Amino acid sequence: SQTIHQWPATLVQPVGSPLSLECTVEGTSNPNLYWYRQAAGRGLQLLFYSVGIGQISSEVPQNLSASRPQDRQFILSSKKLLLSDSGFYLCAWRAGLVLETQYFGPGTRLLVL
Amino acid sequence: GENVEQHPSTLSVQEGDSAVIKCTYSDSASNYFPWYKQELGKGPQLIIDIRSNVGEKKDQRIAVTLNKTAKHFSLHITETQPEDSAVYFCAASKVSGSQGNLIFGKGTKLSVKP
Repeated sequence: SQTIHQWPATLVQPVGSPLSLECTVEGTSNPNLYWYRQAAGRGLQLLFYSVGIGQISSEVPQNLSASRPQDRQFILSSKKLLLSDSGFYLCAWRAGLVLETQYFGPGTRLLVL
Repeated sequence: GENVEQHPSTLSVQEGDSAVIKCTYSDSASNYFPWYKQELGKGPQLIIDIRSNVGEKKDQRIAVTLNKTAKHFSLHITETQPEDSAVYFCAASKVSGSQGNLIFGKGTKLSVKP
């Protein structure tokens, strides 16, 4: 069966510091991968998605970036965090061409102070 | 682009009653409509989905209906239990091959009172 991991689970960072969040998927190959942000009490905002290694599409221009160095690894980064980057970050995967369903990871809670 | 509206934003019901959450979408080409349940501090979990070639789908106490003409779909939970308390999200997508991103509604916080 497929599983999706995110780490860290919780992160507290000062304004201006760098960020690196990691997402890995097990049990599948060539998945579509997604990064979402969820602000407190609000819906899910798609940040980036990837259909393959090195292929990144950005949905919202901001100070975040994403990379996909391996087939089942998706990384969300920032060089300098802003207060507004605080939120709940969710990674999701989809089985590419086969099925439409997206499955979410457990999320990373980021607090920027 | 696609826009998904979800109502109500909060819903409180007594245990055993039914709960209905409604969503409307704007893009008539959307063809996939999942519903997710999110418990506090966790990632959303898929609970049911429906494709545009089907009008209704049921899984035990949960059902989803789709009206393509009116461009709305609804989640029905019968015999609600306290463990149904969570935030529920609807989404719509125009899936074609490997393309097709989900557009989410803003969520409904469901509280089931024992």
